[in-house]
Amino acid sequence: NAGVTQTPKFQVLKTGQSMTLQCAQDMNHEYMSWYRQDPGMGLRLIHYSVGAGITDQGEVPNGYNVSRSTTEDFPLRLLSAAPSQTSVYFCASSYSGRVRTEAFFGQGTRLTVV
Amino acid sequence: GIQVEQSPPDLILQEGANSTLRCNFSDSVNNLQWFHQNPWGQLINLFYIPSGTKQNGRLSATTVATERYSLLYISSSQTTDSGVYFCAVGGVIKAAGNKLTFGGGTRVLVKP
Repeated sequence: NAGVTQTPKFQVLKTGQSMTLQCAQDMNHEYMSWYRQDPGMGLRLIHYSVGAGITDQGEVPNGYNVSRSTTEDFPLRLLSAAPSQTSVYFCASSYSGRVRTEAFFGQGTRLTVV
Repeated sequence: GIQVEQSPPDLILQEGANSTLRCNFSDSVNNLQWFHQNPWGQLINLFYIPSGTKQNGRLSATTVATERYSLLYISSSQTTDSGVYFCAVGGVIKAAGNKLTFGGGTRVLVKP
């Protein structure tokens, strides 16, 4: 019963490097999303997807790309990492629409950009 | 977008004490969740409660949607209750319930 799985748990990048944060869910949820959490703050929405092939921007999308080729996976790409992207990243999934929309979160990826 | 405010920002409790955390939101919601972020950073689902009252052990929550607030009650607090408690809400337009807006959190420290 894995739920939402994120990899890696920790990552250090140099400025300008690229990387992909992986997120997978096994609950057959239509909706998946990425949030970032900066020190002392709540989470903010980066990008979200309402189903395979459909993605949209959240509150803080700049510097990040996403795609959704399957229901299960929703990777987040940093094309050219910047120190301002140092944060903890959380992936979440839920059923879509107006039914029960309870979100379940992964364990987070702690990213440091030096 | 929806604004979410939590109070108090910080709370120090003696083990065994009771407490109430509050979440105010600025618009109608289709989703309201309470989370506990433990000292290791993990987000634990406590309640999915867009309206009504629920209880789970020593924790209970009430949401009064018409007055746009929710309360989280912690009774007989334990040191393992320490961490940050977040309220997150989603709006009522189509699929907006999935897009969560988080409050700033209440940092709780329970002393033995």
